Amino acid sequence: SQQGEEDPQALSIQEGENATMNCSYKTSINNLQWYRQNSGRGLVHLILIRSNEREKHSGRLRVTLDTSKKSSSLLITASRAADTASYFCATDAYQGAQKLVFGQGTRLTINP
Amino acid sequence: EPEVTQTPSHQVTQMGQEVILRCVPISNHLYFYWYRQILGQKVEFLVSFYNNEISEKSEIFDDQFSVERPDGSNFTLKIRSTKLEDSAMYFCASSEWGVGDPAISNKNIQYFGAGTRLSVL
Repeated sequence: SQQGEEDPQALSIQEGENATMNCSYKTSINNLQWYRQNSGRGLVHLILIRSNEREKHSGRLRVTLDTSKKSSSLLITASRAADTASYFCATDAYQGAQKLVFGQGTRLTINP
Repeated sequence: EPEVTQTPSHQVTQMGQEVILRCVPISNHLYFYWYRQILGQKVEFLVSFYNNEISEKSEIFDDQFSVERPDGSNFTLKIRSTKLEDSAMYFCASSEWGVGDPAISNKNIQYFGAGTRLSVL
């Protein structure tokens, strides 16, 4: 798989349920970030987790990072219809690379 | 809240024409980026720009592409002779600092504009 692969590719749940999305990557990283993209719109930064952190919370978001497995998960609790969007993880390369490498994304649909 | 703005939101052009996509990064940011997203595909890095020069570019960013910061606020992406395969959403981003220093990781969050949809006919 390529750097920044998310799974599942699509997830459909009922409003109020929790949504979990996973991301795997290949190289050593400084940080891993999660972004949201509403259909046809720009990328909105959600949360950044550093390579020396294991878990981070922001509101209804919980991100975990396992550098030994090169994987991360994004949990959205108590989902709302407005959470319907595509979610991407993005990683940077350790040695000062400027670019972010994005995964294919998880398309999340919250059903009312 | 400060944001990255991009114009136009949609650009339609004929194959072979030159296009310039414009971006106004967040004012205190020092690093600027262009990414593109072909419909249904991943967001791909094109180029990063710092201190009035390209700091990194991808293999996509060939001689047909160029970037410029013509004044203190704008950051542009020029495609000299557009091809059909250049049709995509182009995103500009900016960050306070560049990626690579763990100690200032929050300052290298890249903030994205809403994008310019480029349609090459």
